[in-house]
Amino acid sequence: DQQVKQNSPSLSVQEGRISILNCDYTNSMFDYFLWYKKYPAEGPTFLISISSIKDKNEDGRFTVFLNKSAKHLSLHIVPSQPGDSAVYFCAATSDYKLSFGAGTTVTVRA
Amino acid sequence: DTGVSQNPRHKITKRGQNVTFRCDPISEHNRLYWYRQTLGQGPEFLTYFQNEAQLEKSRLLSDRFSAERPKGSFSTLEIQRTEQGDSAMYLCASSPGTQNTEAFFGQGTRLTVV
Repeated sequence: DQQVKQNSPSLSVQEGRISILNCDYTNSMFDYFLWYKKYPAEGPTFLISISSIKDKNEDGRFTVFLNKSAKHLSLHIVPSQPGDSAVYFCAATSDYKLSFGAGTTVTVRA
Repeated sequence: DTGVSQNPRHKITKRGQNVTFRCDPISEHNRLYWYRQTLGQGPEFLTYFQNEAQLEKSRLLSDRFSAERPKGSFSTLEIQRTEQGDSAMYLCASSPGTQNTEAFFGQGTRLTVV
């Protein structure tokens, strides 16, 4: 059962513009949400997280928004840079193990 | 380098052979996890250790899979009698023992069963 869903398998954005990645979840017990970035042939790298007691967390160019009533979170990257081209995974947890979405491949065009 | 280390990076094996992977977590982390990732999917949880104790195993972990973490330091994941369906990226991660902290992943071991 897929408890975390990323419905957009790919996203193409022009350099300097905003990238918006979306994620939906079904398990209401999830209370901590994370975004990971992954380059080919490497493991996922932690990007940013948010606790369920917050609705926004910002770190430099990256902002994560959480809408608990809609069971939806999003990652905004502003401005997008060529080095941001990668696969982005949304993950959620209520204890120690992470449930991941299938990922969104972001391509930043020059 | 103080990150999570996995060896080997790549492993090609014939069907029916046994393989063993090693993971060295970040030294101060007492939680260690194994995940498996196949093409087009996100990582899927396999098993979890708190120090040397294996506290949870996913139903994805068949009887052919066994994981250990002797002395609560490095961990090994062994797959016996490999099948083509075992071909995947095997990821190890570690985290501190506190709630709601991120897990740090290694670079993974890419297994190909031919």
